[in-house]
Amino acid sequence: GQQVMQIPQYQHVQEGEDFTTYCNSSTTLSNIQWYKQRPGGHPVFLIQLVKSGEVKKQKRLTFQFGEAKKNSSLHITATQTTDVGTYFCAGVSTGTASKLTFGTGTRLQVTL
Amino acid sequence: NAGVTQTPKFQVLKTGQSMTLQCAQDMNHEYMSWYRQDPGMGLRLIHYSVGAGITDQGEVPNGYNVSRSTTEDFPLRLLSAAPSQTSVYFCASSYQGGASLYGYTFGSGTRLTVV
Repeated sequence: GQQVMQIPQYQHVQEGEDFTTYCNSSTTLSNIQWYKQRPGGHPVFLIQLVKSGEVKKQKRLTFQFGEAKKNSSLHITATQTTDVGTYFCAGVSTGTASKLTFGTGTRLQVTL
Repeated sequence: NAGVTQTPKFQVLKTGQSMTLQCAQDMNHEYMSWYRQDPGMGLRLIHYSVGAGITDQGEVPNGYNVSRSTTEDFPLRLLSAAPSQTSVYFCASSYQGGASLYGYTFGSGTRLTVV
């Protein structure tokens, strides 16, 4: 079945440093979504990418969908303590429109 | 407030007991799903529904049953609880399936411990 892996599993940065998490799928995706989960909370939708090579920005967050539509990345510029949490990518494999498979997640810790 | 409501928030079961986790949404979403979250494994799809009367299995369906008699409700039943079912369970809904432009809306979760 479809597998979605994320690296790194965990990253600890100083406030102001940049952060990137990478997402890789074993199958071609029709779209990729990103979610953020604060400690003790539930996943919250951030964005969806659909087109090959697509890049979208939300303030300090930049999301990219790979040309082959099998990988994606999330980059945070100048992290803040409010960025703490686990970031998940989630993808839909081509031909399985109703199943969203989540990646393993990257936990981000930000300290002053 | 509009959203996905899950009950209970916490539950302790003994091995072999059965119970139902409740999930209700008031956004008129057609698509609903159940995930379980275990450390280091992300969220894994248990069952999902694309509309009232229609359900299908996800990645880890064994030991769980679902039904969808109304658009609003999507309960998850544990038939005979096992320690391996200790997890955090999330219900999620969306306007359509995985390709929803607005993503999934998640409930606040049910933390289940089976002893």
